[in-house]
Amino acid sequence: AQSVTQLGSHVSVSEGALVLLRCNYSSSVPPYLFWYVQYPNQGLQLLLKYTSAATLVKGINGFEAEFKKSETSFHLTKPSAHMSDAAEYFCAVRGTYKYIFGTGTRLKVLA
Amino acid sequence: DGGITQSPKYLFRKEGQNVTLSCEQNLNHDAMYWYRQDPGQGLRLIYYSQIVNDFQKGDIAEGYSVSREKKESFPLTVTSAQKNPTAFYLCASSIGGENTGELFFGEGSRLTVL
Repeated sequence: AQSVTQLGSHVSVSEGALVLLRCNYSSSVPPYLFWYVQYPNQGLQLLLKYTSAATLVKGINGFEAEFKKSETSFHLTKPSAHMSDAAEYFCAVRGTYKYIFGTGTRLKVLA
Repeated sequence: DGGITQSPKYLFRKEGQNVTLSCEQNLNHDAMYWYRQDPGQGLRLIYYSQIVNDFQKGDIAEGYSVSREKKESFPLTVTSAQKNPTAFYLCASSIGGENTGELFFGEGSRLTVL
């Protein structure tokens, strides 16, 4: 069965600093992985997805993630944090006809 | 514009009452899903449907019911049997089948039981 683990329920960074949000997955088959962002009282918006093409995936708003099979990881990064990046981020893996989500990481950006 | 519409955005319910949350999509997607979101617990799958007139229980289906009579609609009923129904509910859709594309989400419905 597929699963994802997000390390760190809360992460704080200074504006302009590197953002690193961690996601590890478990899957018995080649995984299809996603990162979503959620702003308060809203639905989830897709940031990027990995579907077995390039291992470095670029998404919206300057985010990118690297698929590392040897580490079973799919960490999300952004070189320079902006105040508007403050939100909750979810990693997800596609299972058999359904999608499994991590518990989320709330990102706080400090001025 | 194509998308998913959930209604109502906010809903208050007295204990013992059933309530139905609406979810409509115009993306022509075959698959639809309902998730429940609680603080610190991520998204938990309630029900999902891969095709009209068919649906499967997710991880926390007890106290909930669904129907899929039309491709574009997947309403969720929160019954009085649900012990702790106060939560944020999210509806989503995807192309379905073996397609490995992403989920598209609605804006959510927040249910509060008084």
